[in-house]
Amino acid sequence: ILNVEQSPQSLHVQEGDSTNFTCSFPSSNFYALHWYRWETAKSPEALFVMTLNGDEKKKGRISATLNTKEGYSYLYIKGSQPEDSATYLCAFRVYMLTFGGGTRLMVKP
Amino acid sequence: NAGVTQTPKFQVLKTGQSMTLQCAQDMNHEYMSWYRQDPGMGLRLIHYSVGAGITDQGEVPNGYNVSRSTTEDFPLRLLSAAPSQTSVYFCASSPRSLRGTEAFFGQGTRLTVV
Repeated sequence: ILNVEQSPQSLHVQEGDSTNFTCSFPSSNFYALHWYRWETAKSPEALFVMTLNGDEKKKGRISATLNTKEGYSYLYIKGSQPEDSATYLCAFRVYMLTFGGGTRLMVKP
Repeated sequence: NAGVTQTPKFQVLKTGQSMTLQCAQDMNHEYMSWYRQDPGMGLRLIHYSVGAGITDQGEVPNGYNVSRSTTEDFPLRLLSAAPSQTSVYFCASSPRSLRGTEAFFGQGTRLTVV
């Protein structure tokens, strides 16, 4: 069983704050690292799929970086908005996806 | 586009009952999988399939069976429901072995076993 860990488990920020979360994964046999955004009562939706060491991806105010040699990825949200409130999941892909426990973000207006 | 369709959305079972959670995808994806989500935990893999006729166990397979007779469908069977199987279940599909591709999820089935 692969060990994928996310921190923190939950995060409360004020609207306008910038924030970041961490995903750590096995550094050997890397294939791909996925980030998903999951809103309550909905299905997870992909944010980024990262495959190369040093990858940096951006979608609007959200960006992610990848370090496969040390086994971590960061997700950044710039200027958080209430609609960013969700659980953010990272998943390590070898064959199927192995998910971390998620970071639950709550943005207060 | 339908994508990944799961039925039912909600279900209440009595301990010992059996049922099948349905999952269908219309994207011609080879890979399909079932996950369960429990409070405080991420998604845990139950069973997966890499193509029609091929299935394998994930992290938490006990109490569940799957089959894959067609590319489109991947039903999950609960053989004898137990309260420990109360959870939210997600079905996902993805293309085979393309590193840059994401997984697509169904809307989830919220199952309560009493």
